[in-house]
Amino acid sequence: DTEVTQTPKHLVMGMTNKKSLKCEQHMGHRAMYWYKQKAKKPPELMFVYSYEKLSINESVPSRFSPECPNSSLLNLHLHALQPEDSALYLCASSQGGRGENTIYFGEGSWLTVV
Amino acid sequence: DAKTTQPTSMDCAEGRAANLPCNHSTISGNEYVYWYRQIHSQGPQYIIHGLKNNETNEMASLIITEDRKSSTLILPHATLRDTAVYYCIVRSIRSGSEKLVFGKGMKLTVNP
Repeated sequence: DTEVTQTPKHLVMGMTNKKSLKCEQHMGHRAMYWYKQKAKKPPELMFVYSYEKLSINESVPSRFSPECPNSSLLNLHLHALQPEDSALYLCASSQGGRGENTIYFGEGSWLTVV
Repeated sequence: DAKTTQPTSMDCAEGRAANLPCNHSTISGNEYVYWYRQIHSQGPQYIIHGLKNNETNEMASLIITEDRKSSTLILPHATLRDTAVYYCIVRSIRSGSEKLVFGKGMKLTVNP
């Protein structure tokens, strides 16, 4: 089983709203990731959590706030977004640590900011 | 992580083998070659990875040249469902280098 589950699949939010994207995996993975993908572009890394600690933040604006409540869950809190933040947000996970740890992706959450 | 170069696009006839090339001339000894694909509007799907030996699984085969500067992903009998963007990614296995950096990828279109 290599399933990463993301909810919601689609989200429309206003620029003053606060919303969250959720991600869950039950593979015992200890590394989790958020990627952002704009139309016709490759995915771009936003954050990496390793053993529930934020290990990489690719200079993402503070209106995106990640949270890792436990090793199975990853949230992305959204506040005061701009229309240009509309994109597909992808969650992924891997075993973590050294070595050839394959990263598995969820199906993504489509976000539209109006 | 080393960069990769792929053609922008490629066509293949249904039922034929699809050979997808990738150049990674600056790859170093501790870097793996990973292949993912992304079907329209879905998340990236892991296909296969390798270090220096050829690898095969139920989806594809990966052929890595002896000098490791290039590789070829082979889909033995392409179907219409294999139409996707294919990403060849070189990734370090050193601790602290967990991230996967996507390039532009290559659009494979399988035609009936």
